[in-house]
Amino acid sequence: DAKTTQPPSMDCAEGRAANLPCNHSTISGNEYVYWYRQIHSQGPQYIIHGLKNNETNEMASLIITEDRKSSTLILPHATLRDTAVYYCIALRGSSNTGKLIFGQGTTLQVKP
Amino acid sequence: EPEVTQTPSHQVTQMGQEVILRCVPISNHLYFYWYRQILGQKVEFLVSFYNNEISEKSEIFDDQFSVERPDGSNFTLKIRSTKLEDSAMYFCASSVQLAGGSTQYFGPGTRLTVL
Repeated sequence: DAKTTQPPSMDCAEGRAANLPCNHSTISGNEYVYWYRQIHSQGPQYIIHGLKNNETNEMASLIITEDRKSSTLILPHATLRDTAVYYCIALRGSSNTGKLIFGQGTTLQVKP
Repeated sequence: EPEVTQTPSHQVTQMGQEVILRCVPISNHLYFYWYRQILGQKVEFLVSFYNNEISEKSEIFDDQFSVERPDGSNFTLKIRSTKLEDSAMYFCASSVQLAGGSTQYFGPGTRLTVL
């Protein structure tokens, strides 16, 4: 599975959009990009995933570049409860184990 | 909304004792996982399980660890003889499929403290 690179930390003002980047320049054609977040020591929470197309759900939007080498998670109106560590993970569509490899992620601090 | 549940939320044990951590995956899921997170460190994969067999295990998952699906609803992680370094949060997860495109949903975790 492709390695992903994220900035270690970011700040965002409450009510503004939070844009979290992820680089996955070695991603292969059948690898999905997943985003999870972890608040304190709670279990990782699924946010969104995509393969090629941009995706949107009730939590966030995922923008994947045309060459698929990078993506951006967008939280449209960040709240204080969105303060968490955000993980970008690549997972093969043909994976026979489903193993998720977590990096250090991006610590997002939403400030009032 | 269906959730993965885990019990207990916190387990304290003496070094050398056996512990069993329990998980109830989402009911229609077929693939089950255990991860752990030592305080201040990354979430690490331990094992994936399907059709009553281990699909993959990490180097961490040595002979002291075992997993079982004893009935149609529970999925357990047993540590036979706990060590101090086993102290961590243990997360169970489940998914409908293994492949990308299928989402893993995580439980709230069990905090294991080995004294």
